[in-house]
Amino acid sequence: TQLLEQSPQFLSIQEGENLTVYCNSSSVFSSLQWYRQEPGEGPVLLVTVVTGGEVKKLKRLTFQFGDARKDSSLHITAAQPGDTGLYLCGLGGGGSNYKLTFGKGTLLTVNP
Amino acid sequence: GAGVSQSPSNKVTEKGKDVELRCDPISGHTALYWYRQRLGQGLEFLIYFQGNSAPDKSGLPSDRFSAERTGESVSTLTIQRTQQEDSAVYLCASSLQSGPGTQYFGPGTRLLVL
Repeated sequence: TQLLEQSPQFLSIQEGENLTVYCNSSSVFSSLQWYRQEPGEGPVLLVTVVTGGEVKKLKRLTFQFGDARKDSSLHITAAQPGDTGLYLCGLGGGGSNYKLTFGKGTLLTVNP
Repeated sequence: GAGVSQSPSNKVTEKGKDVELRCDPISGHTALYWYRQRLGQGLEFLIYFQGNSAPDKSGLPSDRFSAERTGESVSTLTIQRTQQEDSAVYLCASSLQSGPGTQYFGPGTRLLVL
């Protein structure tokens, strides 16, 4: 069974601060997706990473995939209240494997 | 519609009653997924449809849970004889095809079993 841990579980910061959240797996995965879920909504895909060492940027968000493809991080620069939400990582099994395994997520609150 | 829709958005039921949750995927999406999200937990995979067949039902927690899909459109998730531990948000997602592509999620149905 693949274990997936996200940390921290909760994070409350002030507007303008930087933060990093982590996603760690007990085994190698072929792809990883980061989602953000706002209250009362379904998760929305932010990025998919598939290559070890890959770095992707989405405005103030920087996603990094570990070289060994067992971990990933999401760094947010100058956080804004609109960044508030539950950040979920989902691991793909590869090929035509449709199933995503999700972590419990990091609940981020950015206070104005 | 433009996105995945789910109904009802909220459902309160009494223990022992049956409930039906509905998902309308994005038109043209062949793959459809059901997940459960308990309070403070991540998303738990329930079942996957490719077209109207369900090649993977391994996530269904008990035989009280079942799901159907009509063609490549609407899906219903049925929970019989609901229990309090069934209380959760039930999320549906669809994608153009199976694989590590984008899954588009609906807003979910919040189920509360009293």
